[in-house]
Amino acid sequence: DAMVIQNPRYQVTQFGKPVTLSCSQTLNHNVMYWYQQKSSQAPKLLFHYYDKDFNNEADTPDNFQSRRPNTSFCFLDIRSPGLGDAAMYLCATSRDGFGPSEDTQYFGPGTRLTVL
Amino acid sequence: TQLLEQSPQFLSIQEGENLTVYCNSSSVFSSLQWYRQEPGEGPVLLVTVVTGGEVKKLKRLTFQFGDARKDSSLHITAAQPGDTGLYLCAGETSGSRLTFGEGTQLTVNP
Repeated sequence: DAMVIQNPRYQVTQFGKPVTLSCSQTLNHNVMYWYQQKSSQAPKLLFHYYDKDFNNEADTPDNFQSRRPNTSFCFLDIRSPGLGDAAMYLCATSRDGFGPSEDTQYFGPGTRLTVL
Repeated sequence: TQLLEQSPQFLSIQEGENLTVYCNSSSVFSSLQWYRQEPGEGPVLLVTVVTGGEVKKLKRLTFQFGDARKDSSLHITAAQPGDTGLYLCAGETSGSRLTFGEGTQLTVNP
């Protein structure tokens, strides 16, 4: 009974070739997040959606975009991947983001992106 | 900027030993979460602590939230090789964001 699903688990792309990573959730949570995690580092928040409202982090490069067509799905688009974008990309969800008991984030298994 | 300082960064111990991981900040968090992450996988939630002074137990793991909600600790009793992993603390800040500690890489040797 997977709750946060990410596809694919491993993605290989070429330098400059657009790539899309997918996340879906069965929790009916309002908030969905995308993180980038490099080796031996903590996850770094790229952006999140509260329902349909997109919230970008100030230091997220324009190369990274996101779409949330409905409650269950959220996509991460990397328009022109560079070698420095190779990382684990984590999707997470939380119920509604208000109140400490509602803010617990649940992570998917991640997509490992390799850029050749 | 709210920061969470996590220590130690690396810990290698023998099976059966006890250990404590600390998470400290000068900021107050409304809640704090502990995660365990294995290589190639996403973080798995262990616990969320909300109330100052709260203590939660999960089998051999004991989590404590400081009275002022600025710090937290994770204590593992009689560690086992299966406890090996990256332990992350994360404090809830405004705007649905989590502030992560740098992580503690725990290795339990048989």
